[in-house]
Amino acid sequence: EAGVTQSPTHLIKTRGQQATLRCSPISGHTSVYWYQQALGLGLQFLLWYDEGEERNRGNFPPRFSGRQFPNYSSELNVNALELEDSALYLCASSLYSGGNQPQHFGDGTRLSIL
Amino acid sequence: AQKVTQAQTEISVVEKEDVTLDCVYETRDTTYYLFWYKQPPSGELVFLIRRNSFDEQNEISGRYSWNFQKSTSSFNFTITASQVVDSAVYFCALSEPLNTGTASKLTFGTGTRLQVTL
Repeated sequence: EAGVTQSPTHLIKTRGQQATLRCSPISGHTSVYWYQQALGLGLQFLLWYDEGEERNRGNFPPRFSGRQFPNYSSELNVNALELEDSALYLCASSLYSGGNQPQHFGDGTRLSIL
Repeated sequence: AQKVTQAQTEISVVEKEDVTLDCVYETRDTTYYLFWYKQPPSGELVFLIRRNSFDEQNEISGRYSWNFQKSTSSFNFTITASQVVDSAVYFCALSEPLNTGTASKLTFGTGTRLQVTL
């Protein structure tokens, strides 16, 4: 069974640009989560999508947005990139929403802002 | 608000030593779930274990064991006879319960970096 896949592996952008990160969940999983792992800040919850709808978002500005497609894959968009957006962005999926379902993570996309 | 504290930033042991990683959590909820994840140098987070707040039984899986004590809000993780391949950052995480409408968000601790040397 294929795990959570993320693309691209690395992304280099400059300040003010926009970045799009993609995630394909494990087959059969309907919930997708996004986390940011920035140096010194640990893992921070960004967004949660379930059945195509945004269910919850963390304490991030509106320039962080995303969507979930009918096939349950997801995109994370970051507009007006700032230097502090440099981080590893991890996507996770779970079988369905619910605190008891373990989230399975992808390898991440490392976003570097120059 | 929920909080997870992993006071040990970095631990270094020699192979075959036992090592315990500490995790203390804070929550006002009576129903919650605790998790441990491993992040090897390659970056991906690997799910290790899930424990719900009603189940205080300790669990052993091979060289791994977990000690959940609700009275002290702790969920500690022990690796017996550590190996070099155990070197990684280990994260403890807490999930919010379903009935708040904010289910599934994981609150992570800051992680403990374990270095196992020969």
